Amino acid sequence: AQKITQTQPGMFVQEKEAVTLDCTYDTSDPSYGLFWYKQPSSGEMIFLIYQGSYDQQNATEGRYSLNFQKARKSANLVISASQLGDSAMYFCAVAYTGTASKLTFGTGTRLQVTL
Amino acid sequence: NAGVTQTPKFQVLKTGQSMTLQCAQDMNHEYMSWYRQDPGMGLRLIHYSVGAGITDQGEVPNGYNVSRSTTEDFPLRLLSAAPSQTSVYFCASSSGSRSGNTIYFGEGSWLTVV
Repeated sequence: AQKITQTQPGMFVQEKEAVTLDCTYDTSDPSYGLFWYKQPSSGEMIFLIYQGSYDQQNATEGRYSLNFQKARKSANLVISASQLGDSAMYFCAVAYTGTASKLTFGTGTRLQVTL
Repeated sequence: NAGVTQTPKFQVLKTGQSMTLQCAQDMNHEYMSWYRQDPGMGLRLIHYSVGAGITDQGEVPNGYNVSRSTTEDFPLRLLSAAPSQTSVYFCASSSGSRSGNTIYFGEGSWLTVV
């Protein structure tokens, strides 16, 4: 089975600082997509950012950027200028062959932003 | 602006009861799927569908049935609920591209089996 590894169960960051959330994955499929989702305490899944395996440049979406290192099978999420509202669970997910609805998720990282 | 609608949002079942979690999307997406999320874990795929009349199993399909008679609806059936099925269930839909902004999740359904 495909596996997504998020090695940081919990992270703390001070407001306005940057934080990196780690994600590694295994796959032999040359074509795949990498996703990051935010899950606040209210429970909904909020899409943050996407990176295709053939994309040459790292994806960015506002304060979110994805540090994609294909050879290392690593797709770390960088949040710049953290805000109190960033406190949440963050999940890395991969879509392998087939559709985007077939996602494999990591176990998540709980981020706490402090004053 | 409905997107993906799941009902009910909360449900308590007794062991052995049956129920159906409803999922509907109004975006004409071909691809739909059901996930479950247990405490301290990410979402795991239960069943998915690539179009009306076509369904397939995901990682944790046991105890669940699905059907896809229309593009819009993808209900998840629990035939005989067990305490191990206590979880949060998410429905998702997609146009089929791997582009992230085409994946939409419902708000989740909290199910407790006692």
